[in-house]
Amino acid sequence: GAVVSQHPSWVICKSGTSVKIECRSLDFQATTMFWYRQFPKQSLMLMATSNEGSKATYEQGVEKDKFLINHASLTLSTLTVTSAHPEDSSFYICSASITDTFGSGTRLTVV
Amino acid sequence: QKEVEQNSGPLSVPEGAIASLNCTYSDRGSQSFFWYRQYSGKSPELIMSIYSNGDKEDGRFTAQLNKASQYVSLLIRDSQPSDSATYLCAAQITPGNQFYFGTGTSLTVIP
Repeated sequence: GAVVSQHPSWVICKSGTSVKIECRSLDFQATTMFWYRQFPKQSLMLMATSNEGSKATYEQGVEKDKFLINHASLTLSTLTVTSAHPEDSSFYICSASITDTFGSGTRLTVV
Repeated sequence: QKEVEQNSGPLSVPEGAIASLNCTYSDRGSQSFFWYRQYSGKSPELIMSIYSNGDKEDGRFTAQLNKASQYVSLLIRDSQPSDSATYLCAAQITPGNQFYFGTGTSLTVIP
């Protein structure tokens, strides 16, 4: 089946710095990828839809200037959390399909 | 009102028993429904999808959908300790659009 690789699996960063999370489709080409965020004991919330070669589509309430998404190739989408703050600490998950094919997730802790 | 609601639990069942997980959704336009298993610190794994009223069985898992009552359930027969996880329900309004996760129900299977 389709495999999505997400890296890093966890990261700790200082407040005010930026963090990049990579999501790669290993055995197929993904024109669209999805980025989710999950706070402890809460739902997965769709943040944005990443489109290869064009701008990402952000969900309501998600700051596009803070969460930069780049999908420059058919196998790689990146999410950069800029000027991270402790409230951005969360579990970030990418997916090559809105319903399945999730990456392994990235636990971000901002201190 | 949340789009998809689940009892957060925790739900505890003895090994070998049937675990019953329930989910309600608010949008009558929801057409597709999904159950996921999520182990702590991991991404969700798709267990089953269901689109029509009635039951759908896959191994030890049975999904039940009642659109009139806006209710979806997941039964796990012969529960095993390895089934201990958080189970997420999700609803999709139209293919490719508006996908909502519930907050999940924590299940513990006691050996």
